Amino acid sequence: GAGVSQSPRYKVAKRGQDVALRCDPISGHVSLFWYQQALGQGPEFLTYFQNEAQLDKSGLPSDRFFAERPEGSVSTLKIQRTQQEDSAVYLCASSAESYTYEQYFGPGTRLTVT
Amino acid sequence: AQTVTQSQPEMSVQEAETVTLSCTYDTSENNYYLFWYKQPPSRQMILVIRQEAYKQQNATENRFSVNFQKAAKSFSLKISDSQLGDTAMYFCAFTLSPALTNAGKSTFGDGTTLTVKP
Repeated sequence: GAGVSQSPRYKVAKRGQDVALRCDPISGHVSLFWYQQALGQGPEFLTYFQNEAQLDKSGLPSDRFFAERPEGSVSTLKIQRTQQEDSAVYLCASSAESYTYEQYFGPGTRLTVT
Repeated sequence: AQTVTQSQPEMSVQEAETVTLSCTYDTSENNYYLFWYKQPPSRQMILVIRQEAYKQQNATENRFSVNFQKAAKSFSLKISDSQLGDTAMYFCAFTLSPALTNAGKSTFGDGTTLTVKP
């Protein structure tokens, strides 16, 4: 595709519900990143994939957060039993090679937990 | 751990003038990359310019240039001939080189909101 796409763009969840956020990276991009961006702040790293391998998940805030990229392309970020503090924009980014740092970002998914 | 600090939450500039956004960072490592990203109100973040720490020459991309001071751990962005389309939030980001642990992920500052006035 022409760029990184994310779906849904907006998600409202009631506290305690599970949500799944999808990221479609640029075709052929090896690396995929998830970030969480709170209102008025910079993105915070959540997790990183190189192909299907999850190499770094140090930024996941709790065991309610889970990410996967089973075939090395599309990735899903799942949040179980959502809490109000999970409300944020979730950004996905991809880059072309393992050690290329030019990350191409998607438009984000704005999650609101009520 | 790496930290990135942007001390100017908001700035404004008149169209066609020049503005400089500040960024400082803290790291004990020697090999890394620095970036400026632009995030317009539509929220899709795009790369503006990047700098490899091993390069002494400051990066330039058209109207955008950086002043990289490695010893001072400073990385400012200069926008010349500001245009209305430059209105956005600007983020400074830091990434370690691939030979080091956790290479690839970026640490971002909290951003500077730039408004270009007509």
